[in-house]
Amino acid sequence: HLQLQESGPGLVKPSETLSLTCTVSGGSIRTSSYYWAWIRQPPGKGLEWIATIYDSASTYYNPSLKRRVTISVDTSKNQFSLKLSSVTAADTALYYCARRDVDIVARIAYFDYWGQGTLVTVSS
Amino acid sequence: SSELTQDPAVSVALGQTVRITCQGDSLRRYYANWYQQRPGQAPIVVIYGKNNRPSGIPDRFSGSSSGNTASLTITGAQAEDEADYYCNSRDTSGNHLEVFGGGTKLTVL
Repeated sequence: HLQLQESGPGLVKPSETLSLTCTVSGGSIRTSSYYWAWIRQPPGKGLEWIATIYDSASTYYNPSLKRRVTISVDTSKNQFSLKLSSVTAADTALYYCARRDVDIVARIAYFDYWGQGTLVTVSS
Repeated sequence: SSELTQDPAVSVALGQTVRITCQGDSLRRYYANWYQQRPGQAPIVVIYGKNNRPSGIPDRFSGSSSGNTASLTITGAQAEDEADYYCNSRDTSGNHLEVFGGGTKLTVL
């Protein structure tokens, strides 16, 4: 049974860089047709897609965050990571990592497994 | 980039049928996926693609689409269906870009 677990600091100071890691267990992060993503949810608000990665050469970013975001993968540790620079209070949110299942022929792409989320607060 | 629009709140009487809608230009090209999020929990997918239910999702959940509007229908709503529901699709700006709707809070009366 696949499991995803987010980890990282729960408190980040304004203007600093938020760094989170998602550890995947119960399956390999290198399995083809699967992508890996970060999604966030500010308190009391909706979901916002941040970024997706397939491999180190295939990364995709939300245009509104692209300037500040880096997603990466470490296949040796079965992990992928998120870095968000120059954070402000608006970046306070519950951050989820998720697996994206893709079937190009069937025109299907959806998030089938999610972590439980980790709350990151931006405050001095 | 694309936008998906959902009604903020919908209510349904216990056992009745409710439809939650999602509108956006990307839905003319891509299927919508639907996620249920109960308070304090991570989202789970209830419908993906044309009208696919993951294992364990009751068959009272179904999906449909017409033009720029996708719908999630719950036939015979149960108390445990009270939750926030989010639609999601690929963004027309790029094949692997994603967009979420603002969410609909479903109340079961």
